Amino acid sequence: AQSVSQHNHHVILSEAASLELGCNYSYGGTVNLFWYVQYPGQHLQLLLKYFSGDPLVKGIKGFEAEFIKSKFSFNLRKPSVQWSDTAEYFCAVAGSGNTGKLIFGQGTTLQVKP
Amino acid sequence: DSGVTQTPKHLITATGQRVTLRCSPRSGDLSVYWYQQSLDQGLQFLIQYYNGEERAKGNILERFSAQQFPDLHSELNLSSLELGDSALYFCASSVAEGAYTEAFFGQGTRLTVV
Repeated sequence: AQSVSQHNHHVILSEAASLELGCNYSYGGTVNLFWYVQYPGQHLQLLLKYFSGDPLVKGIKGFEAEFIKSKFSFNLRKPSVQWSDTAEYFCAVAGSGNTGKLIFGQGTTLQVKP
Repeated sequence: DSGVTQTPKHLITATGQRVTLRCSPRSGDLSVYWYQQSLDQGLQFLIQYYNGEERAKGNILERFSAQQFPDLHSELNLSSLELGDSALYFCASSVAEGAYTEAFFGQGTRLTVV
């Protein structure tokens, strides 16, 4: 069965610090990978996605993620976080079949201190 | 604003009752997904509909059912409610039914069972 594991449940950083959130998945076939962000009181928004091609994908708001197939990982990075990045971050995986259902990780709460 | 509308935003009901959650997808989207977010289970996929037909099913309880109507809006029916059903229920929509598509999420309906 598909599963997604996010290593960090709660991360606290100061502004301008670099961010890396870990995500590992378990799935036997071709996967499509996503990072979603949920700002306080708001809906889930897509940060970035990987379907194929260049394993380093760039998303909105300066975020990027690297797909490492051999490690079953899709870690999210940002060189310099801002207070406005305070939110919950979810890694998700979809198989390559005829359904777009997403399997989510448990989420990581990021708190950025000004 | 993602374009996905969920009503109501909040719902408080008693154990044993039945409720209906409603979702209007983005204009042009044919696929609707329902997810449940709770503290202990995280974000769990419940069910997907595409153009009125069920496409995929997750760990959805038998007490829960859903449908997608000809105008593409969807309803999630929860019956014989238990305290453990208290959660945030998200609806998402996408243009296509498969994995190579981005899902847009609504604001969610917060259900509290007392």
